[in-house]
Amino acid sequence: GQNIDQPTEMTATEGAIVQINCTYQTSGFNGLFWYQQHAGEAPTFLSYNVLDGLEEKGRFSSFLSRSKGYSYLLLKELQMKDSASYLCAVRDSNYQLIWGAGTKLIIKP
Amino acid sequence: DAGVTQSPTHLIKTRGQQVTLRCSPKSGHDTVSWYQQALGQGPQFIFQYYEEEERQRGNFPDRFSGHQFPNYSSELNVNALLLGDSALYLCASSLASAQAQYFGPGTRLTVT
Repeated sequence: GQNIDQPTEMTATEGAIVQINCTYQTSGFNGLFWYQQHAGEAPTFLSYNVLDGLEEKGRFSSFLSRSKGYSYLLLKELQMKDSASYLCAVRDSNYQLIWGAGTKLIIKP
Repeated sequence: DAGVTQSPTHLIKTRGQQVTLRCSPKSGHDTVSWYQQALGQGPQFIFQYYEEEERQRGNFPDRFSGHQFPNYSSELNVNALLLGDSALYLCASSLASAQAQYFGPGTRLTVT
């Protein structure tokens, strides 16, 4: 079966750095996405990786290792507004998005 | 540039009833995907429409059906509602060949 694993919850301090990991087992791979979702709102697109390596976009970076079935989202200079759930999703061989359950990130002052 | 819009925002239905949810994609997008998201879970793929046809379908029963119109807007219909259908229903639009899907605000469906 297809499976995406992320930690359920993480806590970090304002101004610090946090890394959210995602491991996946899917039937085929056509890219990995990270989305941010605030409580009661729709997911918003953060990043996309299809090749191995690091993609940097401002305070957010995403890394992919296809051979290890592994990705992480790195958030720097954390702000209180970064408190949200972070969803990892993989596009499989049918170009269907398979989603993880999300990691709830709690930022403390 | 209007983003993805969905209506209604909230809906309360009784078990056994039928419901229709609506979605207008982001300007320039031609593909619409529908997801069901239970509280504390990731979205579950229902189906995707492109060129007015269902292109892919997730593991949902036939009670869930949809339609895409020539202007790319879409409807999700759910028949014979069950209590377990209570969830946030998300619509996402994209260009067929693009990388990312962009989500609407969702419709919160409560079945009593």
